[in-house]
Formats: sequence, structure tokens, C-alpha cells
Amino acid sequence: QSVLTQAPSASGTPGQRVTISCSGSSSNIGSNYVYWYQQLPGTAPKLLIYNNNQRPSGVPDRFSGSKSGTSASLAISGLRSEDEADYYCAAWDDSLSGHVVFGGGTKLTVL
Amino acid sequence: VQVSESGGGLVQSGGSLRLSCAASGFTFTNHAMTWVRQAPGKGLEWVSGITASGDSTYYTDSVKGRFTISRDNSKNTLFLQMNSLRPEDTAIYYCARGGSTSVTPPGFYWGQGTLVTVSS
Repeated sequence: QSVLTQAPSASGTPGQRVTISCSGSSSNIGSNYVYWYQQLPGTAPKLLIYNNNQRPSGVPDRFSGSKSGTSASLAISGLRSEDEADYYCAAWDDSLSGHVVFGGGTKLTVL
Repeated sequence: VQVSESGGGLVQSGGSLRLSCAASGFTFTNHAMTWVRQAPGKGLEWVSGITASGDSTYYTDSVKGRFTISRDNSKNTLFLQMNSLRPEDTAIYYCARGGSTSVTPPGFYWGQGTLVTVSS
């Protein structure tokens, strides 16, 4: 069971806006930055969002991140078929001398 | 920028393996490094991280006392020494660069992964 909680699945149609949520606690999301990753089948994960809402160079602005309290969200607007992938959130956790925690992942299906 | 893992393979339960991650294209001593694993059909699990200088290391609970992360800054190489391996350690192990000198969630640069299989 993951420390950060994500819904196992989400779906949307092309062009739609979808949101993926990540719930944590005061020791992780509540006091540290949230990161989001996209993983296409058979490939290494790719960083989409860091420091809650910052996009690395090359990541389309269709992807956006936000955080409120102990929860965070990844929004994808103008959904495309190539966005079908697994999405993971992560954060530093201050408990137990410090470590990184991941969410269980959300499988996004583009209908 | 490139990071590339090696050293995976098949090992019996209780055995050991040493993973390596060769880094290039950036100033290795400016970045923390991290190991993340993914069991077959499962999600991502952070395993361990080390600061840029190597003076601080961090581990997930399930590998504490069995795995040791280290780095050779003179050779731009990250290591993960894995002892007392268990079948549940079977996974693809990814090396990833951090965004700063402190350990944080992995940054933009990941390796392609190396498969570790532990047989019972």
C-alpha cells in the first residue's frame, strides 16, 4: 500500500480535460514539493512536473500541477491519444529520517 | 546528459548483486542520485538516495540493512550493493539524477533500467 494515494484509473476523451489526484499527509505533501511522472508502456518514467507546478523544458503546457494542503493534482488539458499512460506522484517524506514516497499510480485511458 | 545502469541479472534468494550507474554529460558532483525500482506489473518504488557529496544516504524501510548506496565522484558512477536478496526484490532498477545536491524525488534524467530477478 503506497503512502501517497492515487485512484488506480482515470479516463477521458480526446480534447477533454482530466485531473489526477494524489493524497498524502503533513509529513510529505503537506510540507514538501510534489513531483509528477508519466510512464508509457515499456519505457522509463518521465518527469512532467516538479516543485508542485513547474514544467521541465519540453513538457507541453497542457500538463499542469497544483497543490493544496496535503493533496495535489495533475491536470491534462486537450487530451490526446498519446497521453494514455501511467501517472505517478511523489514527494519527500520527513518521517523515519527522511525518504521519498510514490503514489500507487493512475492508469489513464483515452477513450 | 545520460545515466546508464548495469549489473542486473538472475540471482538466488540470499545472494548479492552490485548495480552500477554511469553518468555523463553533467557535473556529477552537483547532483544527488536515486535508485527507483518497479516490480513486474507494479508501480514505482523509491529505493534509496544519496546526496551529491555522498555524505548522506537514505533508504526505504524494506531494504535498510540489506542495500547500500554509494558513489564514486571521481568516476561519475553510482552504485547499489544489494545483499540478502529476496524474491520480492525482483524488479527493474532505475538510476535517476536529482535536481539538486540534496535528495529529492527523481528529476528529469533516468536510465533505461536494469532487471534484477531473485529466484527462490
